[in-house]
Amino acid sequence: AQSVTQPDIHITVSEGASLELRCNYSYGATPYLFWYVQSPGQGLQLLLKYFSGDTLVQGIKGFEAEFKRSQSSFNLRKPSVHWSDAAEYFCALMRGGRRALTFGSGTRLQVQP
Amino acid sequence: NAGVTQTPKFQVLKTGQSMTLQCAQDMNHNSMYWYRQDPGMGLRLIYYSASEGTTDKGEVPNGYNVSRLNKREFSLRLESAAPSQTSVYFCASSPTGVGEKLFFGSGTQLSVL
Repeated sequence: AQSVTQPDIHITVSEGASLELRCNYSYGATPYLFWYVQSPGQGLQLLLKYFSGDTLVQGIKGFEAEFKRSQSSFNLRKPSVHWSDAAEYFCALMRGGRRALTFGSGTRLQVQP
Repeated sequence: NAGVTQTPKFQVLKTGQSMTLQCAQDMNHNSMYWYRQDPGMGLRLIYYSASEGTTDKGEVPNGYNVSRLNKREFSLRLESAAPSQTSVYFCASSPTGVGEKLFFGSGTQLSVL
């Protein structure tokens, strides 16, 4: 069975600092990988996705993620965090041939002024 | 653009009561999904409908039923609500095919007393 692990439940960074959110997955083949963001009281919004090809993918709002097969990881990064980035971030995996996503438990990001 | 609309936004039930959560999308998407979100557990798939006329179980289908009424609407029914079903429920849709972006509704907060 596939699974997604986000080791950090809560992260606090200062505005302007860099950010890296960790995501590890377990799946026998190369999965489709996603990062979603959820602002308070809202549904989820797609930040970026990886299907194949270039292992560094660019997303919206200045986010990027790097797929590392050897580490089974898909970490999300941003060079300079803005106060509006405070939200909960979810990594997700989709098996090839399936439409349904498996989500990690999420990482809540707090941004200090 | 309405996108994915869920009703109601909030609901309180007593144990044993039944209710239906409604979801409609106006994007002509083929696939629709119901997820529940619980603290520390991320989102878990309850049921999904890959296309009109089909439904499939997700990770946590027990205690729920679904109906894909037409291409636009996908409802989730709790026949006999239990406190363990207290959660935030999200409906989502996607165009078609594997790996397509999910569009989420804003959620229904359900409490079962």
